[in-house]
Amino acid sequence: GAVVSQHPSRVICKSGTSVKIECRSLDFQATTMFWYRQFPKQSLMLMATSNEGSKATYEQGVEKDKFLINHASLTLSTLTVTSAHPEDSSFYICSARDRINYGYTFGSGTRLTVV
Amino acid sequence: DAKTTQPPSMDCAEGRAANLPCNHSTISGNEYVYWYRQIHSQGPQYIIHGLKNNETNEMASLIITEDRKSSTLILPHATLRDTAVYYCIVRVQSNDYKLSFGAGTTVTVRA
Repeated sequence: GAVVSQHPSRVICKSGTSVKIECRSLDFQATTMFWYRQFPKQSLMLMATSNEGSKATYEQGVEKDKFLINHASLTLSTLTVTSAHPEDSSFYICSARDRINYGYTFGSGTRLTVV
Repeated sequence: DAKTTQPPSMDCAEGRAANLPCNHSTISGNEYVYWYRQIHSQGPQYIIHGLKNNETNEMASLIITEDRKSSTLILPHATLRDTAVYYCIVRVQSNDYKLSFGAGTTVTVRA
């Protein structure tokens, strides 16, 4: 079946630094990828939609200058958390939508801890 | 999008069938019922989906009522590894859709 690889799985960074998270669709093409954030004991919250070759669209309340998204190819999207602060500590999950059958496949998530 | 209602939690015994209900009384004719689950600290996993007919795969069965206002996900022989949050989502199959998650049902399988 479809596989989405997300790296890193865990990252600890110092406050003020930037962290990049990669999301790759391994065996299908995804013109659209999605980024979610999940806080403990809460559901997934959609942050932004990443479209190959164009600018990402962000959900209300998500700072586009803080969460930089790049979708340079049909199989790769990256999320960069810039100038991270402890309140950015969360579980970040990407999802890729197959452009043929509209199926969604999720990455395994990235646990970000900002200290 | 049609809203779904699921019980917040349920327990089931290992080896027994787990029946997870979902209400979607405002579902539209072109909306499918999808089920995903999220095991702790992992990304969501697709389980099954259907439009109006009952569906079965290697993981589960999906029973959709004739009026399509509710559905039931059946895990035929629950194991401890089935402990997870289960999400029922109704969605259209289009290029413009953004998948959104509700609170889901936390299923705990007990030995």
